[in-house]
Amino acid sequence: QKEVEQDPGPLSVPEGAIVSLNCTYSNSAFQYFMWYRQYSRKGPELLMYTYSSGNKEDGRFTAQVDKSSKYISLFIRDSQPSDSATYLCATLGGGNKLTFGTGTQLKVEL
Amino acid sequence: DAGVIQSPRHEVTEMGQEVTLRCKPISGHDYLFWYRQTMMRGLELLIYFNNNVPIDDSGMPEDRFSAKMPNASFSTLKIQPSEPRDSAVYFCASSPLHLQETQYFGPGTRLLVL
Repeated sequence: QKEVEQDPGPLSVPEGAIVSLNCTYSNSAFQYFMWYRQYSRKGPELLMYTYSSGNKEDGRFTAQVDKSSKYISLFIRDSQPSDSATYLCATLGGGNKLTFGTGTQLKVEL
Repeated sequence: DAGVIQSPRHEVTEMGQEVTLRCKPISGHDYLFWYRQTMMRGLELLIYFNNNVPIDDSGMPEDRFSAKMPNASFSTLKIQPSEPRDSAVYFCASSPLHLQETQYFGPGTRLLVL
């Protein structure tokens, strides 16, 4: 079993839709959870990170962590074509090592 | 700040040749990471440094891979000899000591070994 599992998609939604992206993880010791966005042929860029359980909001983006079920979510409200990218969840384990999911490809269509 | 700088951006080489990838981290960052990304395996950590010292190289696939960080502003990842299965995008990332959970990635080097 991979430490972080993520549905690869692709996920296609109409502009303005609410998008839900999800990951599960296996190691209950993980405390930091991150979402990275990667545009085609670019490096990943950090969108948001949360510590332990709970929600964190930043503009149209909300990150949610449920440690009891080992579930990580990213919600995008009022999705825009510019949100079309691959979204990678990640957890920070021991020794400052990030473990990434394989990424979900999102396309927001006009 | 210019962000993490990587060179070259693209590299095409023949099997058996030596390949050297270069990285300049963000000034003041204490950690430097090398990753490899492929369609099949996603983003994998190869090695990371703290204050120029290699801390964990357990992700380095084989002895053909080596990495150095001679100073705080420069690191190299070398593959010798290269093989077609090394074809991937290689990313360098850096992070500050007080925000280890936030890693900033470079644009990557797209390597193709023929």
